[in-house]
Amino acid sequence: DAGVIQSPRHEVTEMGQEVTLRCKPISGHNSLFWYRQTMMRGLELLIYFNNNVPIDDSGMPEDRFSAKMPNASFSTLKIQPSEPRDSAVYFCASSPSLAGGDYNEQFFGPGTRLTVL
Amino acid sequence: ILNVEQSPQSLHVQEGDSTNFTCSFPSSNFYALHWYRWETAKSPEALFVMTLNGDEKKKGRISATLNTKEGYSYLYIKGSQPEDSATYLCAANDYKLSFGAGTTVTVRA
Repeated sequence: DAGVIQSPRHEVTEMGQEVTLRCKPISGHNSLFWYRQTMMRGLELLIYFNNNVPIDDSGMPEDRFSAKMPNASFSTLKIQPSEPRDSAVYFCASSPSLAGGDYNEQFFGPGTRLTVL
Repeated sequence: ILNVEQSPQSLHVQEGDSTNFTCSFPSSNFYALHWYRWETAKSPEALFVMTLNGDEKKKGRISATLNTKEGYSYLYIKGSQPEDSATYLCAANDYKLSFGAGTTVTVRA
């Protein structure tokens, strides 16, 4: 298995532009998580999906951020318009199940390093 | 979001020495405690998931214990090696993960 796949790995854009980050979870995993990592706030959960349905988006910082999961093998995180303070590493993770023993273990993708100028 | 605290924030260990560090979390609404290992320029990798009070798990030279009644977990590294240098994150799970800030371990050869 290739693990969680994220693209692009690096993104540099200008303030005001739309940014779309992509994630392909591990096949068979039914939970998907988007995290943001910054020096100031560490690793924080933005939103997570279970069976393609958004369960909790309370971590999404503001309306400029949106996430979708149109099917079990693909999710996007979109920022429109982007701002310099959005610069961070964005991780996607997937898990076999939302609840239940060891299956809560999450598998992280390599992350997308976003720089907004 | 659960308040998860880790200490110390960082530590330096001489190669061959053993070390340990702490994760504290709210003991109510607890479901599971996760430990992740995060090397620089890589993504977090799961080490352990523990659910039961008194649980102890081991992977090679790394082990962890869990006390759900008082809300803490210890991670131990026995005979530290340079490849153990990483940030160790713990996360409490009350159906979603709340991560601590991590303990960054640097092993000096």
